Parts: sequence; structure tokens; C-alpha cells
Amino acid sequence: DADVTQTPRNRITKTGKRIMLECSQTKGHDRMYWYRQDPGLGLRLIYYSFDVKDINKGEISDGYSVSRQAQAKFSLSLESAIPNQTALYFCATSVPSGDTDTQYFGPGTRLTVL
Amino acid sequence: RKEVEQDPGPFNVPEGATVAFNCTYSNSASQSFFWYRQDCRKEPKLLMSVYSSGNEDGRFTAQLNRASQYISLLIRDSKLSDSATYLCVVSGGSNYKLTFGKGTLLTVNP
Repeated sequence: DADVTQTPRNRITKTGKRIMLECSQTKGHDRMYWYRQDPGLGLRLIYYSFDVKDINKGEISDGYSVSRQAQAKFSLSLESAIPNQTALYFCATSVPSGDTDTQYFGPGTRLTVL
Repeated sequence: RKEVEQDPGPFNVPEGATVAFNCTYSNSASQSFFWYRQDCRKEPKLLMSVYSSGNEDGRFTAQLNRASQYISLLIRDSKLSDSATYLCVVSGGSNYKLTFGKGTLLTVNP
């Protein structure tokens, strides 16, 4: 079984709809992240959480919110989806080791907003 | 200057070729450096960390030059299975933040 899972894997929705993307992990990592990837722009950080009580904005948090329901679960919500939120969304987890912090990614959710 | 800048590519090479990817970063306080590999429509996966002394893992060699703020990845004896996008990734150190380059697409041809 995959260590980091995301649901749904694909989603098509309409402008204005609220949508939630879910991420679960069995790695036991405290740190979790949400990224989006757009062609030509690379991965950009939306939100991150270092533990259940810690939530932080990334570089492109506008239009998104998150919930850390448990150490193993981190959900991303689009309150009112718009077409430019069409992208590939990745969840990631990590645990620091020394001066490094390797991130492990889920398989991604392909979101299309019409 | 972009935070992490990579060769734009794409690179098309024959099997067995040696290929080098270059990457520069703008934040001199960066402390951790990585190369990730991403197959088409899949998640990024860690290929290797990059250490100041340089490091090698089989056919892959990574180098870091802190003075020039430059990272490289060398792939020797390219295989068809090496075809992927290679992402240069830099971390600011004590915080979370990974900054990703846009990636360089490599296609290894038979």
C-alpha cells in the first residue's frame, strides 16, 4: 500500500463549487504539505502543517483553506472553485533528519474547474 | 533572478550518452539541495540529495558549488528508463520550505 494517498485522483467540477481534496499518510510524519503544479511553473506551495495544531500559508494560499484533522490527515479545500485553479495537486509529508527534510509525495489529484 | 533556475531543456539523447543538468539558486542561505525525478503525470520522487563534497549513486553524480550557488546532476550511460523530468530542489534550512525549479525534461532514445 502507498504511504501517502490522495483522494480523489481525478475531479471535474464547475466554477463556484466547493471542493475538498484529501490526503492520508501512514509514514508517521508530523509535517504535511499541499502543492499545486502547473505546466511551465513547477510546484508551488499552498499550505503546510508541522503538526496537528500548526497551519501555515505557503506562497499561493489565496482561494484555498486546509484542515489537519489528525497527524495522518491533511485536507485542502477550494471554497469557490475557479478555472485558474485547474492544476495537478500534490500532498507531501516529511520528517526532519539532521539539517535535511526529505519530502515524500502522494500520487496527485488532477483537478479541472470548468 | 529566479529562486531556482534550471536548464530549460528538453534534452534528447541516445542510449548510453552522458547528460548533465545544471541548476542555480538565488538564496545564499539555502542549506539543503536535492534532485527529484518526475515521470509524466506522476508524483516527484527523490533521486538524490546533494552534498557539498559531491556524491555519487551508481550512474548518477551530483555536485554542489556553494560559492557559485550552482548544482549539477550528471547521468552516465543513459538508459531508456531515465526518461523523465528532473527537478532541482533547494531548501532554506531550518524551515520547511522547498523551492522547486521548473524541471528539465530528458528523453533517452533507443
